Amino acid sequence: DAGVIQSPRHEVTEMGQEVTLRCKPISGHDYLFWYRQTMMRGLELLIYFNNNVPIDDSGMPEDRFSAKMPNASFSTLKIQPSEPRDSAVYFCASNPIEGNTEAFFGQGTRLTVV
Amino acid sequence: DAKTTQPNSMESNEEEPVHLPCNHSTISGTDYIHWYRQLPSQGPEYVIHGLTSNVNNRMASLAIAEDRKSSTLILHRATLRDAAVYYCILRDGLSNYQLIWGAGTKLIIKP
Repeated sequence: DAGVIQSPRHEVTEMGQEVTLRCKPISGHDYLFWYRQTMMRGLELLIYFNNNVPIDDSGMPEDRFSAKMPNASFSTLKIQPSEPRDSAVYFCASNPIEGNTEAFFGQGTRLTVV
Repeated sequence: DAKTTQPNSMESNEEEPVHLPCNHSTISGTDYIHWYRQLPSQGPEYVIHGLTSNVNNRMASLAIAEDRKSSTLILHRATLRDAAVYYCILRDGLSNYQLIWGAGTKLIIKP
């Protein structure tokens, strides 16, 4: 397996524009997580899914953020409208369902909102 | 959620063992101790995890105190490629699979 795949790797957009980040989890993994990382706040969990269903979205900063998982092999994180304070590295991770095993992270998407 | 405490940074010489400490005095009986590391410009990478007994794998060893209030990640022979931020995380084995991240320890390897 190629691991967790995120796209794009880098995104630069203007304030007010819509941004969509994409994630393909490892096949067979039932849990998918979206994280955000900044220098000031470190790694923060935004939302996670179990079997494509959102379980906990309490980390989503505000209504401008939304996440979907239409099927087991694809998830999106959308920011609309984007703001400069959304600039960060966004990571997607997936876990298999069997017990307390390791999480596999993607390479991340570095988002810059100007 | 139970919290962990780690030193902000540590230095070590190349090819020497490294002991990275972590305190977790409020750990509960169902919490697993996980270690991840993050190399520069990379996503976090799983290193090792354990519950009560010491654990070994190809990357590292995890030594868990008898009372489970602290643990130590041991890199037996550090290389320059081990320079990273190391995170010690408690993960509830019963309720969900969330990882609550602290600030981690930045490990600096001197050649």
